[in-house]
Formats: sequence, structure tokens, C-alpha cells
Amino acid sequence: LAKTTQPISMDSYEGQEVNITCSHNNIATNDYITWYQQFPSQGPRFIIQGYKTKVTNEVASLFIPADRKSSTLSLPRVSLSDTAVYYCLVGSYGNKLVFGAGTILRVKS
Amino acid sequence: DGGITQSPKYLFRKEGQNVTLSCEQNLNHDAMYWYRQDPGQGLRLIYYSQIVNDFQKGDIAEGYSVSREKKESFPLTVTSAQKNPTAFYLCASSIASGVVLGNEQFFGPGTRLTVL
Repeated sequence: LAKTTQPISMDSYEGQEVNITCSHNNIATNDYITWYQQFPSQGPRFIIQGYKTKVTNEVASLFIPADRKSSTLSLPRVSLSDTAVYYCLVGSYGNKLVFGAGTILRVKS
Repeated sequence: DGGITQSPKYLFRKEGQNVTLSCEQNLNHDAMYWYRQDPGQGLRLIYYSQIVNDFQKGDIAEGYSVSREKKESFPLTVTSAQKNPTAFYLCASSIASGVVLGNEQFFGPGTRLTVL
């Protein structure tokens, strides 16, 4: 299983764009990259998933360079409600999922 | 209305007692999981099941047991052998096991277990 490394915490202000980078140097050819968001006392929820280049949905973008050794979750114009823990996961079919400690994002007004 | 449910939301147990946490899903998912989360920590995998009547240990299975007799149900028993059971327990399900395209995990609301 590819090990992931994320910053422990980040601070931002409302309206700013936030970029959270995840390092996964030993990612395998078949591995996908997935990001989850967790609010206090709730289960995580899926945000976005990708394999290479760029993926965008209604809430976030995911940038993956050609070597795939890292990925960046981009949250446009964050609000106070985006304050949460963000997890980066890497794996493929049949793997058990490993949630690391995640990145605590604090959005301030 | 499809989803995954856990009960109870809060559970109190005396030391030395076994307790069973319920997890039910009506998403027709093959894979189900149990995680434990301690304050300020990430999720740690206890057990997971890829198919009915089969399950595998996760990273912290000691002191826990599971069963998967039905596709929609994956109960977790916290036994008296678990030395520090107070935690937030999360159940999840997905179409298949692992991180594959389109295979997101859906989580239940969690059960907060406190040992008195």
C-alpha cells in the first residue's frame, strides 16, 4: 500500500482558494487517488477521485502531475463550512483503505 | 432512501461486558468496513468484508469480532478483551473493496462507545 503524507493543519480565510498537497512517492501503476472530507462526529464523505492530470467536480479540483508522486486538492473560495479534516487515500482494487491523520483545515472569517 | 445506518448513536458499557454495534446498508454493496477513531486521530481499520460469509482483519482487530451472514448487515462485537474500547466507531460500505474508479465508501453516522 502506498504511504501518504499530508500537512497536519492549514489555516485559511473565507473566499480564498485552498490547496492541500498529498505526497505518495511509492504509488503503484494501478493505484487511484481519492480524497475524503470529515466533519466532527460524522463519517467521512467522498470529495473527488483521480488517476492522472486534472479532475474537477462541483466542489473541488484534483491536480495530479505526470509522475503521480503527489496530488493537490484544490478548494475554490472556501467558506466557514469547509472547516473539516481532509484525507488523501491511495490504493487499488482489493486493497484495504488506509486513512492517515489527515489535514485539519480551519477557515476563518 | 438508500444509505447506511448504525445503531445506537451512543452506547455505554461496563468494563468486562461484550457489546455489539449494528451496521446495516441497503445500497446493495458487496464490501463493508469497520473503523475506529480516537480523538484527534485518523480512522483505523478494524475489520472488512468483501463478500458475504467472508471477512478479513484490519490493522487493529484484537479484541473485536464480526460476522457477515447477510449482504446488508455487518455487526461488530467489542469484547472484554479489548483493553481500551472507548472510541467513535464508523461503519462503511462500497461497491467493491479498494480504491478503484467510482468506488467511493459511504459511511454511517457512527456509534460513540464509552466504557464506564
